[in-house]
Amino acid sequence: SAVISQKPSRDICQRGTSLTIQCQVDSQVTMMFWYRQQPGQSLTLIATANQGSEATYESGFVIDKFPISRPNLTFSTLTVSNMSPEDSSIYLCSARTSGSIHNEQFFGPGTRLTVL
Amino acid sequence: AQSVAQPEDQVNVAEGNPLTVKCTYSVSGNPYLFWYVQYPNRGLQVLLKYITGDNLVKGSYGFEAEFNKSQTSFHLKKPSALVSDSALYFCAVRVVRDDKIIFGKGTRLHILP
Repeated sequence: SAVISQKPSRDICQRGTSLTIQCQVDSQVTMMFWYRQQPGQSLTLIATANQGSEATYESGFVIDKFPISRPNLTFSTLTVSNMSPEDSSIYLCSARTSGSIHNEQFFGPGTRLTVL
Repeated sequence: AQSVAQPEDQVNVAEGNPLTVKCTYSVSGNPYLFWYVQYPNRGLQVLLKYITGDNLVKGSYGFEAEFNKSQTSFHLKKPSALVSDSALYFCAVRVVRDDKIIFGKGTRLHILP
């Protein structure tokens, strides 16, 4: 199994500022993902963080708003840019090793973001 | 379009009673199905998964789920609920071709002592 940590665990930010969330996995993983969980709603995939190349974004999410880095096989960052109150959400990092359909996808504890 | 439906926002069950949390899905191709549980201030954990084989899947903490292909359902069940089972439960499907996981909206399970 993989243990995923995220920093910060929570933050309160002002409108118009940016926040970078860090995700660290305790082992090398092939795939890393970023999800958003808005209050009372399900998890929505923002993007797949690709090691050594640009992230792959889902419909409705763009790189200018959510720039992602993945410098190696154990670490990724998500930045929420030019924040507005609508960005208030829990942001979750997730990781999986490909190569087997039995491989589980693990999740970090999440970063609770409140934008004032 | 691929989707997962959890029709109940909340399920209340008395401790000791059986519980069921419903899930139906719509995907093209063979689905890989999961139940995740989210406890307060903790990350999602896989409770059980169906990949292939026996339609009845047994998971952690006494939970089980049955894959029903004709009804496209994967309901979560437990014969005797515990107060500690109170949490948020997500049904999810992995679409192999896309290599992504799609989540249902979640069902909050509240076990009454």
